[in-house]
Amino acid sequence: SQKIEQNSEALNIQEGKTATLTCNYTNYSPAYLQWYRQDPGRGPVFLLLIRENEKEKRKERLKVTFDTTLKQSLFHITASQPADSATYLCALSNTGNQFYFGTGTSLTVIP
Amino acid sequence: KAGVTQTPRYLIKTRGQQVTLSCSPISGHRSVSWYQQTPGQGLQFLFEYFSETQRNKGNFPGRFSGRQFSNSRSEMNVSTLELGDSALYLCASRSRDRTSYEQYFGPGTRLTVT
Repeated sequence: SQKIEQNSEALNIQEGKTATLTCNYTNYSPAYLQWYRQDPGRGPVFLLLIRENEKEKRKERLKVTFDTTLKQSLFHITASQPADSATYLCALSNTGNQFYFGTGTSLTVIP
Repeated sequence: KAGVTQTPRYLIKTRGQQVTLSCSPISGHRSVSWYQQTPGQGLQFLFEYFSETQRNKGNFPGRFSGRQFSNSRSEMNVSTLELGDSALYLCASRSRDRTSYEQYFGPGTRLTVT
């Protein structure tokens, strides 16, 4: 079955720096990959979607890359702010209708 | 536009009981998916309903079931509750048209089984 791993459970970074989160997967060939943000006690919030034929997607301070050869996605937050502190989840699907989620990476941006 | 709503927000049940959770999707969204979130397993897909039909199903026992009504509202039922069913249950809605894959999540129902 598919396995989705996100880098180290917790990531601490200084304000203003670029945060880079990793999503690796095995036994799967997703056509769609999404990134979500989840704050404590709340449901995940959609951030970005990237398709298998896209190498990179940007939205404001966010950038996602998708390397189907390495079976990896990188999620970057540039000029990070304390308000970016949250858990970030990657989700994969080969149909767009059923998504498998990683366990998430907790990001803390230190002022 | 109102977001996804889930009721109740918190629930405490005893082993062996059954429970029904409710989800109202964003107006116009016809797809509702249910997820179970636990610290150890993360977010796990339960099932998806679209136009009152279950379209996809995750790897959960038959004790977990759901349905969707004509107004797209969905309910999830868990019978014969076990301690391991304690979790945050999230529902997500989306329009399911060909260009939209974004899921909009509700705040979840926190279920505690004692």
